[in-house]
This record gives sequence, C-alpha cells and structure tokens, in this order.
Amino acid sequence: EVQLLESGGDLVQPGGSLRLSCAASGFPVSGYAMSWVRQAPGQGLEWVSSVTGSGDGDKTFYADSVKGRFTISRDDSRNTLYLQMNSLRADDTAVFYCTKNGGPNWLVRLDSWGQGALVTVSS
Amino acid sequence: DIVMTQSPLTLPVTPGEAASISCRSSHSLVHSNGNNNLDWYLQKPGQSPQLLISLGFHRAPGVPDRISGSGSGTYFTLTISRVEAEDAGVYYCMQGIQSPITFGQGTRLEIK
Repeated sequence: EVQLLESGGDLVQPGGSLRLSCAASGFPVSGYAMSWVRQAPGQGLEWVSSVTGSGDGDKTFYADSVKGRFTISRDDSRNTLYLQMNSLRADDTAVFYCTKNGGPNWLVRLDSWGQGALVTVSS
Repeated sequence: DIVMTQSPLTLPVTPGEAASISCRSSHSLVHSNGNNNLDWYLQKPGQSPQLLISLGFHRAPGVPDRISGSGSGTYFTLTISRVEAEDAGVYYCMQGIQSPITFGQGTRLEIK
C-alpha cells in the first residue's frame, strides 16, 4: 500500500527557512516523479514543484512563485522527498501536500497524496 | 500559463439525482500521443485530495462507475449519474499538458 507521510510543518517568521519531508512507503520514490502541491487557507490547489523519476533524468520544476526560494530533492536511500523552503513570505502560508505521480514523468496524474503539512509564515 | 475554468462553483444536489461539472482550458490539452492530459480530483471535507479520473476518462482504482469523465481539447465534463452523500466535497480539474501544472478553482458539491 502506498503511503506518504509529511513532516516538518511549523510556524516560521517571514524571511525564515523550513524543510518539509515526505517519507514514502509501498513504492520506490526513485521510480516515480514526485510533486508538492499547496493549499492556502480556504483556497484551492496550487502546484509548487516536481522532480522526475530517475528514469526521466531527475529533472526539477518549480512554480514561478517559488522559483529561486524553494528546492525539491529526493533521498532514494531513505525513500524520502524533501522541500527546502527559504525566504518564506506570508503568502506561502498553506498546507503542503506531498504527492506521487503516476510514472517517472512529472506531467502525469497525481495518484497518491499525503495528509499534508501546515506551514504558517507569520511574525 | 493555461487557465482552467470550472462551472458551477457551487452545486447543490439531491441524493439520487445526476450532477455535472464542466472544466474549460485556455489551451488544448491534447497530447501528441492523442491523450487528453486532464485529471479530476475530489477533496472531501477535512481530507486530502484524491484522484478520481485521469486522461479525461480513466477512473482511478476504487472509483465507482457512476462517476465518469468525458471531453476533449478544451472542454471536459465530470458526471455523477446518481449522487450519494459520500460524493460531497470540492472537485478540481487539473491540466498536465505543460508547465506549470494548473488547477481549476474548484466546484463545491453540496448534498441537499
């Protein structure tokens, strides 16, 4: 059974940093693209970042709103996905979902979602 | 960026009745392989989103056959033939034809 368990969500001051982790089980993260999607309070879904599977070159992609501030990475030995978030702003406040894509390509359905990690950026 | 527009934004439905949600994209979602890169997701109250439909009409495992997807190009529809209480939540369409991935604004299905 596929499971995704996020951790690392917290309250952080504007300009601060945070790293989210997503521990995966039931499949090898290296074989699939993985993505982060966020949801601001009371709002809809926003794609944040993706990394392709090793079979598609481990390429990374970012939304313009986070490019240069966020970094997605993967530790295949730990079967874990990460999102390093720097220079956080108030409008980054959201629940961040870790998702598994349906194949190594990142433009493929998001077929599994974690329970979400809440990131609050406030002074 | 491709803009995804859903309608209606709120959909009150009586159990047993049919319901339809439309999703329009600002750009064709037809891939060179002939597939439509359009997925549907449902976020039930207090839960994470879940995949319902991929590539326009493929049901995800466990999705009942009273839920179906149709459409091609720039216009897509999600249809529930007989709404049940468990169908309540917010439905999102999502395009995966080009970066950035974008979602519709969501349609809230309410059970009367």
